[in-house]
Amino acid sequence: DTEVTQTPKHLVMGMTNKKSLKCEQHMGHRAMYWYKQKAKKPPELMFVYSYEKLSINESVPSRFSPECPNSSLLNLHLHALQPEDSALYLCASSSLLAGLVGSGDEQFFGPGTRLTVL
Amino acid sequence: GQSLEQPSEVTAVEGAIVQINCTYQTSGFYGLSWYQQHDGGAPTFLSYNALDGLEETGRFSSFLSRSDSYGYLLLQELQMKDSASYFCAVRDRRNTGTASKLTFGTGTRLQVTL
Repeated sequence: DTEVTQTPKHLVMGMTNKKSLKCEQHMGHRAMYWYKQKAKKPPELMFVYSYEKLSINESVPSRFSPECPNSSLLNLHLHALQPEDSALYLCASSSLLAGLVGSGDEQFFGPGTRLTVL
Repeated sequence: GQSLEQPSEVTAVEGAIVQINCTYQTSGFYGLSWYQQHDGGAPTFLSYNALDGLEETGRFSSFLSRSDSYGYLLLQELQMKDSASYFCAVRDRRNTGTASKLTFGTGTRLQVTL
């Protein structure tokens, strides 16, 4: 199973709402990532989890709160978002061997959640 | 900081060969990857170069020159389904117990025509 799943596919929320995005993988990967992607732009890294611990936070506003309950699941909790936060939110996972010579460097991406903040 | 530049758009005809360039300036470098993303879809991995030279995977090849901070993706025998955005990406360091960062280039939109 080389699939990363994300729910929901689409989400519309108001600026006062609280919602969560979910991501799941069963490839045994111990690195999981959240990216934000605006239209016609590259994915921008938000958070990285390594062995279920937050290892990189790219100075993301606190209205985004990540959580990694176990090695297969990754959540992104959303609260008091702004309209400019509307984007495609992508989850990805990779082996922590990724990047080594001879090991390839593949990150597996989920289909994303398209978020609209009204 | 990290800077990866690509041409914004490339157009080519079906059956042709196209090269998409990537020049990078990064504070750390451990390898260059290429990803394909169709409209509305997720990025999918195409290739990875950790060392200088050419890597070939079917119709796609990727090249890296570390001394020139330059790489390219070569797509041969273009098909309509290759119309997509292509991103180069740099891994800033080796994964050592914690995952390293992958920074994506500006992206190149490839349009394949008949």
